[in-house]
Amino acid sequence: QQQVKQSPQSLIVQKGGISIINCAYENTAFDYFPWYQQFPGKGPALLIAIRPDVSEKKEGRFTISFNKSAKQFSLHIMDSQPGDSATYFCAASNQAAGNKLTFGGGTRVLVKP
Amino acid sequence: KAGVTQTPRYLIKTRGQQVTLSCSPISGHRSVSWYQQTPGQGLQFLFEYFSETQRNKGNFPGRFSGRQFSNSRSEMNVSTLELGDSALYLCASSGTSGGENIQYFGAGTRLSVL
Repeated sequence: QQQVKQSPQSLIVQKGGISIINCAYENTAFDYFPWYQQFPGKGPALLIAIRPDVSEKKEGRFTISFNKSAKQFSLHIMDSQPGDSATYFCAASNQAAGNKLTFGGGTRVLVKP
Repeated sequence: KAGVTQTPRYLIKTRGQQVTLSCSPISGHRSVSWYQQTPGQGLQFLFEYFSETQRNKGNFPGRFSGRQFSNSRSEMNVSTLELGDSALYLCASSGTSGGENIQYFGAGTRLSVL
């Protein structure tokens, strides 16, 4: 059972454009929603994370929007750069139950110069 | 501060063999989690160890097992390897920052089963 659904699977954006990735979850016990960035040959690296009591969080060019009632959250990458070309994963966990992360399927982002 | 170290980086095994993967967490981290990454199934949680005890377990067969030592280093073992076990195995150690448990991933061990 896929508890976190991520879309789109791939995305092509021009340099300077906005990349938007969406995720939806089912388990209402989830209380922590991180986004990870993964480059080929590397492990995932934490990009930004949000808790459900916050509707938006911004760190530099990266913004998470969170809609608790719809059980959806999204990542916006502003002013996309070629160096942002990577695979992005949303994830969710119930931190009171430990560190088990449930991941979305991933989105491969390509930023064209 | 050194990151999460996984060894070996690459492994080639044949069906039926067993394999042991190693993970050294970030100094001071007591929680280590293991994940399997494949193109078809994505990133799937295997298990988590905290202070030498398994705290969480994913939906994998009993052929997949792990343990954690008193220095927080962890090993993962897969017995009776199958072709479908070919994957990137990722280890993550967890530390607290700003009241949140953040997982830091190693570069992974790529296992190929022939």
